[in-house]
Amino acid sequence: GAVVSQHPSWVICKSGTSVKIECRSLDFQATTMFWYRQFPKQSLMLMATSNEGSKATYEQGVEKDKFLINHASLTLSTLTVTSAHPEDSSFYICSARSQIGTGERQPQHFGDGTRLSIL
Amino acid sequence: QKEVEQDPGPLSVPEGAIVSLNCTYSNSAFQYFMWYRQYSRKGPELLMYTYSSGNKEDGRFTAQVDKSSKYISLFIRDSQPSDSATYLCAMSAVRGGADGLTFGKGTHLIIQP
Repeated sequence: GAVVSQHPSWVICKSGTSVKIECRSLDFQATTMFWYRQFPKQSLMLMATSNEGSKATYEQGVEKDKFLINHASLTLSTLTVTSAHPEDSSFYICSARSQIGTGERQPQHFGDGTRLSIL
Repeated sequence: QKEVEQDPGPLSVPEGAIVSLNCTYSNSAFQYFMWYRQYSRKGPELLMYTYSSGNKEDGRFTAQVDKSSKYISLFIRDSQPSDSATYLCAMSAVRGGADGLTFGKGTHLIIQP
């Protein structure tokens, strides 16, 4: 149980292109979804928190107009990297948190990530 | 100074050895501590979740938290080649990581058959 599907797993595109990444909770409803980014040899860094039906909360230093997040349902959140540039090349990974249970029973379940390469 | 420090390794040990993985942190607001295991090309998988100082055991895994020293550990007993992976420590100020998690860089562990 608690499967999170992230698509695509790998994308290569030209500079200036917009790229959409999907994150789906397959067997549970996710009140909250998180988006992280990881540069080589660095830790996973939280970019934004999205709650179903409301605007995402972005971490300091993350441009909300560049990284558009939509959480339209309890099972789907999307991250769109608009007008992507080479410096946006990174590993993007989402996690989803169940609305059932508390504390330990509400861990974050992670997708397998998307490797984004901007040429 | 990074909020969470974790030696990236690689750490290589023979099969059957006891493995000790550690993280230190600087933010005293962190109250909830997690260990994730990540295999290559896969997402992190939750191994242990703790929220108080002391030890928590689950099978071959023991998580230890010392809030006074801001130091957490994960011990793996009777290590197996299948334990070879990257181990990430993560922490949060809010129960269940509801405010997002702060991660260490991860330690790459290799168990030699």
